[in-house]
Amino acid sequence: GQQLNQSPQSMFIQEGEDVSMNCTSSSIFNTWLWYKQDPGEGPVLLIALYKAGELTSNGRLTAQFGITRKDSFLNISASIPSDVGIYFCAGQHYGGSQGNLIFGKGTKLSVKP
Amino acid sequence: NAGVTQTPKFQVLKTGQSMTLQCAQDMNHEYMSWYRQDPGMGLRLIHYSVGAGITDQGEVPNGYNVSRSTTEDFPLRLLSAAPSQTSVYFCASSPGRITGNTIYFGEGSWLTVV
Repeated sequence: GQQLNQSPQSMFIQEGEDVSMNCTSSSIFNTWLWYKQDPGEGPVLLIALYKAGELTSNGRLTAQFGITRKDSFLNISASIPSDVGIYFCAGQHYGGSQGNLIFGKGTKLSVKP
Repeated sequence: NAGVTQTPKFQVLKTGQSMTLQCAQDMNHEYMSWYRQDPGMGLRLIHYSVGAGITDQGEVPNGYNVSRSTTEDFPLRLLSAAPSQTSVYFCASSPGRITGNTIYFGEGSWLTVV
């Protein structure tokens, strides 16, 4: 099935550092979503992007919908220990039998105090 | 304020046993789906439903069965469990299939097949 390429797979950073992760796809999407998953929990939506070129912020998080509609990135500024978790990108097509989410494999973030 | 509720949270099955993972939502959402999550993988779609009485297969449907007799409930059945079905299962719901910003996930069901 279709997959998203998400990188990096894991990151070990110092508290206060900025973080950047991205996703690329061979096909275009109508929506890009970024989720965070804490251990033992389901994914929680962080940011949703609906237009090519859109740049959206949510507190210390900033995400962009790539111009080609085939990629997206997520930045976290001034990381804190509670940012630890797995971050997933997800793409969504509209219409027809599609409209379901296609997930990347995740970026595991570890933050050292 | 329940949202999406999954039961059980943890389950151990023997190979060949059958079981049903329950999923219920109290938000009157049309769209419901089941995903599985394996180590190092993103979530992969098993089955989904766009409304009561309508279901369809996702990316990895083999070995699973679903039905949608009511808007609220979307159970996932394993007819004859196999070790390859050891995974974490997530149920999700949203008002409609294209509304990406309002997809709600349950807390997950950890299934081990021995």
